[in-house]
Amino acid sequence: AQKVTQAQTEISVVEKEDVTLDCVYETRDTTYYLFWYKQPPSGELVFLIRRNSFDEQNEISGRYSWNFQKSTSSFNFTITASQVVDSAVYFCALSEAVDSNYQLIWGAGTKLIIKP
Amino acid sequence: DGGITQSPKYLFRKEGQNVTLSCEQNLNHDAMYWYRQDPGQGLRLIYYSQIVNDFQKGDIAEGYSVSREKKESFPLTVTSAQKNPTAFYLCASSSQGGRYHEQYFGPGTRLTVT
Repeated sequence: AQKVTQAQTEISVVEKEDVTLDCVYETRDTTYYLFWYKQPPSGELVFLIRRNSFDEQNEISGRYSWNFQKSTSSFNFTITASQVVDSAVYFCALSEAVDSNYQLIWGAGTKLIIKP
Repeated sequence: DGGITQSPKYLFRKEGQNVTLSCEQNLNHDAMYWYRQDPGQGLRLIYYSQIVNDFQKGDIAEGYSVSREKKESFPLTVTSAQKNPTAFYLCASSSQGGRYHEQYFGPGTRLTVT
């Protein structure tokens, strides 16, 4: 069965520190997609990034960067120079084929607390 | 503005009552989803629909029902058969149901049943 593991339940850092959120996945598919979402205290999930299994280039978007390593089945997310507004729960997800449809398999989430 | 609306934001019901949660999207998306989130946990799929008049059960469909009569609407009914209905319910949509397509979420409805 496909699976997504976010081993860090909660991380707390002081503002301006860098922080990395880990995501490890299991899949038998050769083609798959991975996603990161942010859930701020308001509750609405916000899409951050999608990565396909054929593209192992790291992605950078402002203070956010993602490190995809197929060899270790990991898709880690780093926030550089963290800010209080980054405080949220972050979810990693993997697309899975179910019959002829696709669903997202979600990790349990990592709660990130940025202290001023 | 395009997006997904869920109403109400907070909902309180007595045990034994059915309750319907609303989800509307104006993104012209084909696929829609309902998830349940319990405190400190990830998302669990209740039902999803790839196209109008068609829907499939997710991992925890028991005690829930849905309909998809219009492309933009995917209401979820929490029935009295759902043993532990108090949770945060999230509706999402994607342009298509394929694995490439990211899902966009509404603000959620917090249901409390006493």
